[in-house]
Amino acid sequence: GDSVTQMEGPVTLSEEAFLTINCTYTATGYPSLFWYVQYPGEGLQLLLKATKADDKGSNKGFEATYRKETTSFHLEKGSVQVSDSAVYFCALSDTGGSYIPTFGRGTSLIVHP
Amino acid sequence: GAGVSQSPSNKVTEKGKDVELRCDPISGHTALYWYRQSLGQGLEFLIYFQGNSAPDKSGLPSDRFSAERTGGSVSTLTIQRTQQEDSAVYLCASSLRGGPGTLTETQYFGPGTRLLVL
Repeated sequence: GDSVTQMEGPVTLSEEAFLTINCTYTATGYPSLFWYVQYPGEGLQLLLKATKADDKGSNKGFEATYRKETTSFHLEKGSVQVSDSAVYFCALSDTGGSYIPTFGRGTSLIVHP
Repeated sequence: GAGVSQSPSNKVTEKGKDVELRCDPISGHTALYWYRQSLGQGLEFLIYFQGNSAPDKSGLPSDRFSAERTGGSVSTLTIQRTQQEDSAVYLCASSLRGGPGTLTETQYFGPGTRLLVL
């Protein structure tokens, strides 16, 4: 079946540091890939997505590239801010399986001033 | 318009009691999903509604869990005879259409109901 594996957190960074959160997946079909973010006390909200191989999703300074050869969708940001502190979820929807999204466990990011 | 809302935001109950959790999706959204988020775990899919029908109930962990949706809008998740292992955050999400052919569709989440079973 489908699965999403994220790096374990928490990830702790100083403001303006470079961020990478790793995400790899297994899928039986041709998935679409997503990053959702959950700020404290709020529900998840879509951060970015990519629908086919080599697509790059981007939003709010965050980027992720759909790498079919490595089955990865790593999240990156060049300079994090304190306001980026949140939990980040990688997810996929797959043509080969259920169309209901599969989510990773989430990675907590803590950014210090 | 308004986003997805859930109530109550927090619920503390005693083992063996029944609880009802409510979700109000975004107006006009056909698809509605319930997930469970346990400490240190990802989102566990529970049930999916397309309109008022539930084509996928595969994630419900036991027959103590049930859900319904009326008028293609509000949904209620009911847990009977609660157990301590039911303690978690229950998240509801909606999307415009859902189902096959909507792989790129965004889900919109509510803030969740935090359930604690003592």
